[in-house]
Amino acid sequence: QSALTQPASVSGSPGQSITISCTGTSSDVGGYNYVSWYQQHPGKAPKLMIYDVSNRPSGVSNRFSGSKSGNTASLTISGLQAEDEANYYCNSYTSSSTPVVFGGGTKLTVL
Amino acid sequence: QVQLVESGGGLVKPGGSLRLSCAASGFTFSDHYMSWIRQAPGKGLEWVSYISSSGSTIYYADSVKGRFTISRDNAKNSLYLQMNSLRGEDTAVYYCARQKSGWANDYWGQGTLVTVSS
Repeated sequence: QSALTQPASVSGSPGQSITISCTGTSSDVGGYNYVSWYQQHPGKAPKLMIYDVSNRPSGVSNRFSGSKSGNTASLTISGLQAEDEANYYCNSYTSSSTPVVFGGGTKLTVL
Repeated sequence: QVQLVESGGGLVKPGGSLRLSCAASGFTFSDHYMSWIRQAPGKGLEWVSYISSSGSTIYYADSVKGRFTISRDNAKNSLYLQMNSLRGEDTAVYYCARQKSGWANDYWGQGTLVTVSS
């Protein structure tokens, strides 16, 4: 089972917007609207930021948004803040024998 | 507030067994599907297993199928992961997580470290 493909790292300055991509196949990202995004600070548990492609849980800043086009999902963070510096993971439901697959993770650096 | 507290991690030799527990509070445990997700040291997240609210539906990652068994006791608000035939590549922090709608996990425990080494 191959992981979803994410860039290893992205960076941006405070106030800027950045986008993290998550590329899969028609058997996962492209075939279902079950893409989620998680933020993880070092030594902490992951936190759900986006679910079902574009929905934000209550309490998550509206600076975080999600979208999908074809086999690629995206997480956009606008108005970048220092506390956004973290690792971000996408995951998706998949029709394979392992029903959930994660991306390899993206380290976001706020310059 | 929702709390998930894992326990049972530790050092085990290759081929050995370990049983992880996750104590849930702050929500109606029996209404929610639950998952185990792990993270090897310095690596990314890996989904391990999922169990429906009644326990009637269970899924495993191919990497643990036949070796790990997920279960739950709704009367005790607890989730379990029985891990047998452990290998070095099972070394990881194991998180229990509550399933939200669809396949997202909206609450996570703090994790318990499992180290498989001779």
